[in-house]
Amino acid sequence: AQSVTQPDIHITVSEGASLELRCNYSYGATPYLFWYVQSPGQGLQLLLKYFSGDTLVQGIKGFEAEFKRSQSSFNLRKPSVHWSDAAEYFCAVGPYSGGGADGLTFGKGTHLIIQP
Amino acid sequence: GAVVSQHPSWVICKSGTSVKIECRSLDFQATTMFWYRQFPKQSLMLMATSNEGSKATYEQGVEKDKFLINHASLTLSTLTVTSAHPEDSSFYICSARPWRESYNEQFFGPGTRLTVL
Repeated sequence: AQSVTQPDIHITVSEGASLELRCNYSYGATPYLFWYVQSPGQGLQLLLKYFSGDTLVQGIKGFEAEFKRSQSSFNLRKPSVHWSDAAEYFCAVGPYSGGGADGLTFGKGTHLIIQP
Repeated sequence: GAVVSQHPSWVICKSGTSVKIECRSLDFQATTMFWYRQFPKQSLMLMATSNEGSKATYEQGVEKDKFLINHASLTLSTLTVTSAHPEDSSFYICSARPWRESYNEQFFGPGTRLTVL
């Protein structure tokens, strides 16, 4: 069965500093990978996704993520964080093919705190 | 494009009553919709997969008689929490997959917060 591990429950970063959120997955086939952000009381917003092609993916709000098949990782990065980036971040994996119409498997999330 | 709405956004009900939550794809047709549940400060857990015109597929441990899912059209799926109890209080989120997509991209609704007193 597929699984997603986000090893960091909480991360504190100073405003303006760089950020990397870790995500490791276990999946038996070609994965479809996502990063979502959830602000308090809000729904999920898609930051970026990877399903093929260039392993470095650019997303919204200045985020990027790199797919490393050999490490089964899909880490999220941002060169300079803003106070508005404080939120919960979820990594998710799903099947590439929609034929089975499977739902996504989410990691437990990483809570990002921004220090002034 | 690819907007998914949920109604209501929040609901409070008494224990023992039933609550219906609607999930609509506003600008695309979705043969498949998914229902997730999120407990406070926890991750999303897939509850069931809803296919238009057929019975929903429930994940292990999810009571199908308690969480009734109907996907009557290509733009609407409903989740009814029957005989709700305080332990059903949670954040329920739906997602929809456009029927034209060959890959599994899902668009999420804003969620419905259910509080059972």
